[in-house]
Amino acid sequence: GQQVMQIPQYQHVQEGEDFTTYCNSSTTLSNIQWYKQRPGGHPVFLIQLVKSGEVKKQKRLTFQFGEAKKNSSLHITATQTTDVGTYFCGGGTSYGKLTFGQGTILTVHP
Amino acid sequence: GAVVSQHPSRVICKSGTSVKIECRSLDFQATTMFWYRQFPKQSLMLMATSNEGSKATYEQGVEKDKFLINHASLTLSTLTVTSAHPEDSSFYICSAHAGTSGSNEQYFGPGTRLTVT
Repeated sequence: GQQVMQIPQYQHVQEGEDFTTYCNSSTTLSNIQWYKQRPGGHPVFLIQLVKSGEVKKQKRLTFQFGEAKKNSSLHITATQTTDVGTYFCGGGTSYGKLTFGQGTILTVHP
Repeated sequence: GAVVSQHPSRVICKSGTSVKIECRSLDFQATTMFWYRQFPKQSLMLMATSNEGSKATYEQGVEKDKFLINHASLTLSTLTVTSAHPEDSSFYICSAHAGTSGSNEQYFGPGTRLTVT
């Protein structure tokens, strides 16, 4: 079955440093979605990428979808303490259903 | 934005009993709802896909007779954990998909923490 791998599992940064998490799928995806889960909370949708090579930005967050539609990345510039949480990628191959990566737990030291 | 509620938020039950968890889409109709299980500091594991008016589709390894799913309306899906055992203790999260064209976004409920003693 489809597998979605996400690295790194943990990332500790100083406030102001950049952060990147990577997602790789064993199969070609129709779309990829990114979610953020704060400690004790539930996942919250950040963005969806659909097109090959697509790049989207949300303030300090940059999302990329690979040309082969099998990998993706989320980059945060100049992290803040409010960025703390677990970031999940979800690979979509059929309408609505997602296979989630393991998540990257981000901690930001002030 | 779309809101999904889940009830109860926490439940403690004795081994052998059954527990029902409700997932409601409050301000939109959800053609599809998903049930996930999440262990501490781990990913979301899809248990089943629930479509209104039809039988749920279970992922490999998930016992359909143990985790009963009912999607009676476009705003409500329920997960019943039957004959619960301590190993069923986990965080159960539902999500709802509106099914609108071009959007595969899932809206997650706040989750239910189940503890089986």
